[in-house]
Amino acid sequence: DARVTQTPRHKVTEMGQEVTMRCQPILGHNTVFWYRQTMMQGLELLAYFRNRAPLDDSGMPKDRFSAEMPDATLATLKIQPSEPRDSAVYFCASGKTGTSGSSYEQYFGPGTRLTVT
Amino acid sequence: DAKTTQPPSMDCAEGRAANLPCNHSTISGNEYVYWYRQIHSQGPQYIIHGLKNNETNEMASLIITEDRKSSTLILPHATLRDTAVYYCIVRVLNAGGTSYGKLTFGQGTILTVHP
Repeated sequence: DARVTQTPRHKVTEMGQEVTMRCQPILGHNTVFWYRQTMMQGLELLAYFRNRAPLDDSGMPKDRFSAEMPDATLATLKIQPSEPRDSAVYFCASGKTGTSGSSYEQYFGPGTRLTVT
Repeated sequence: DAKTTQPPSMDCAEGRAANLPCNHSTISGNEYVYWYRQIHSQGPQYIIHGLKNNETNEMASLIITEDRKSSTLILPHATLRDTAVYYCIVRVLNAGGTSYGKLTFGQGTILTVHP
């Protein structure tokens, strides 16, 4: 049963430290999404990639967040420096999109719970 | 993408059908209705999607009204494991440019299935 995997599952860090979250999309999926979930804001899209190219990162605070796909099997989300307001659950999702943009379901990973003190 | 309106919470008895409504009165002709759910402490899970015909899969049925302004997700025999937040999302299928596969989640409906 193919699944999206995320590491670490939990991360506690101090303000100012760098945090890197990793995601392994389902093999064969060409679109990868990063979401953030908080009680106040709900699920928010931060950034996403298609065929490893960034399509939209308008949901990310640009000064401290960065997202990359070094290869088709790995997506990373980095926060530097981290702040207490970054505390949230970060989800990665993957899916297939066709050349016309057609897409159906997204498959979500279990999330990384980040706490910044 | 069209905006959706869902009740904040609903209850259902175990074994009974759970009918979750969604209003999307501004839906466009090329927008699909998607349903996802999120069980506590897990990532969202795709349930079903449809355009205008009713759809059924192993998880649920989706009933879309003829004018497409509302829909209902039906869990035919709810179990305690169906307790979750259910999200109704409308979006175009073939969204090119920077909108490939993009989903915008609202607040959803908290469904509680009780014994």
